[in-house]
Amino acid sequence: QVQLKESGPGLVAPSQSLSITCSVSGFSLTNYGVHWVRQPPGKGLEWLGVIWAGGSTNYNSALISRLSITKDNSKSQVFLKIPSLQTDDTAMYYCARALYGSGLGYWGQGTTLTVSS
Amino acid sequence: DIVLTQSPATLSVTPGDSVSLSCRASQSISNNLHWYQQKSHESPRLLIKYASQSISGIPSRFSGSGSGTDFTLSINSVETEDFGMYFCQQSNSWPHTFGGGTKLEIK
Repeated sequence: QVQLKESGPGLVAPSQSLSITCSVSGFSLTNYGVHWVRQPPGKGLEWLGVIWAGGSTNYNSALISRLSITKDNSKSQVFLKIPSLQTDDTAMYYCARALYGSGLGYWGQGTTLTVSS
Repeated sequence: DIVLTQSPATLSVTPGDSVSLSCRASQSISNNLHWYQQKSHESPRLLIKYASQSISGIPSRFSGSGSGTDFTLSINSVETEDFGMYFCQQSNSWPHTFGGGTKLEIK
């Protein structure tokens, strides 16, 4: 079955960089795109970006200068990188995959990131 | 960017009531609108895609309608397990924005 699982550092100091990994199973990254979504504590969902099967990406225009999404098809892993973290990057970070077409039908459990000194 | 405005922000209902949640887009998005439910401490769950298409495993009491700029998620006879947050998302243009959410709570 389709599964996604995020892993990250948990606590990071301001101005440090972030890398979160999404490990997938049950499908190939050469056939499906993977999206990243985050949710600050007590707030709504924010779409961050997507990496497509062919490797191209689309990003949230408000964050495009700060985000980088890459992947390793052979390891079934997708990576989200944010340089120079700020306190308002504190959030739950999810990776997700669409069902056929659009609509994010598969989600990971999320990984919590706290940016604090 | 397309802005999605959800209303009301909070909806207090009694189990058994039927409710409608609204999502309005700042410009036409055709039917490229999806609905999610999120319970406390859980990941979002896709309820409806492309405005009105049902999802396997989702109870039939959930239905969606609308196109263009105005969309509605309807829940026929709310059950206690339905309480939580509801979000809409558009996939018509980049970035794929979410609405601010509607909280469905027990009256």
